Amino acid sequence: GQNIDQPTEMTATEGAIVQINCTYQTSGFNGLFWYQQHAGEAPTFLSYNVLDGLEEKGRFSSFLSRSKGYSYLLLKELQMKDSASYLCALGGATNKLIFGTGTLLAVQP
Amino acid sequence: SAVISQKPSRDICQRGTSLTIQCQVDSQVTMMFWYRQQPGQSLTLIATANQGSEATYESGFVIDKFPISRPNLTFSTLTVSNMSPEDSSIYLCSVEDLIDSMEQFFGPGTRLTVL
Repeated sequence: GQNIDQPTEMTATEGAIVQINCTYQTSGFNGLFWYQQHAGEAPTFLSYNVLDGLEEKGRFSSFLSRSKGYSYLLLKELQMKDSASYLCALGGATNKLIFGTGTLLAVQP
Repeated sequence: SAVISQKPSRDICQRGTSLTIQCQVDSQVTMMFWYRQQPGQSLTLIATANQGSEATYESGFVIDKFPISRPNLTFSTLTVSNMSPEDSSIYLCSVEDLIDSMEQFFGPGTRLTVL
């Protein structure tokens, strides 16, 4: 089985940096994915990591350490529109995704 | 990325009835998946829709309850059978990206309420 854990809620200030952690226990996976989901909308793809290290995409970066069973999503220069749920997911051999519990981020002025 | 549409976008159904949800993609894709998102929860994979063969179901989901069709590479249906209020969820299909198959994109979802 797979256990994927994230903090339930986080609060951050506009313009700041926030790090959303994801820890997992699994026998194996192809990649670790991050999705953003605004209330009432479908998830949108943000980033994925196959190898250990940091992947940067504009204001968003994702980090993976397979040996530590740990990933994080880093959001810089926070904007009000970044208020959303952030989901980490493990991708298997057939590309199916197993999602974590999700983190609800509230960005305050 | 592929453009994905789902029908219906939402529905309110009576207990004991069935609803078929359609997922249409504007290009041919190999992998299509069906997910469920219960209120306030994260996404749970129901099954992989395989073209030309039976769907592959995840633990806790069975074909009798969630029959799936995949007649071609651009279309799939998910039926929620003999519905109960516990089936009230958002149902989403997803497909792999055409260029980078590691990426998946989701349809807009179908919001189902069972009374």
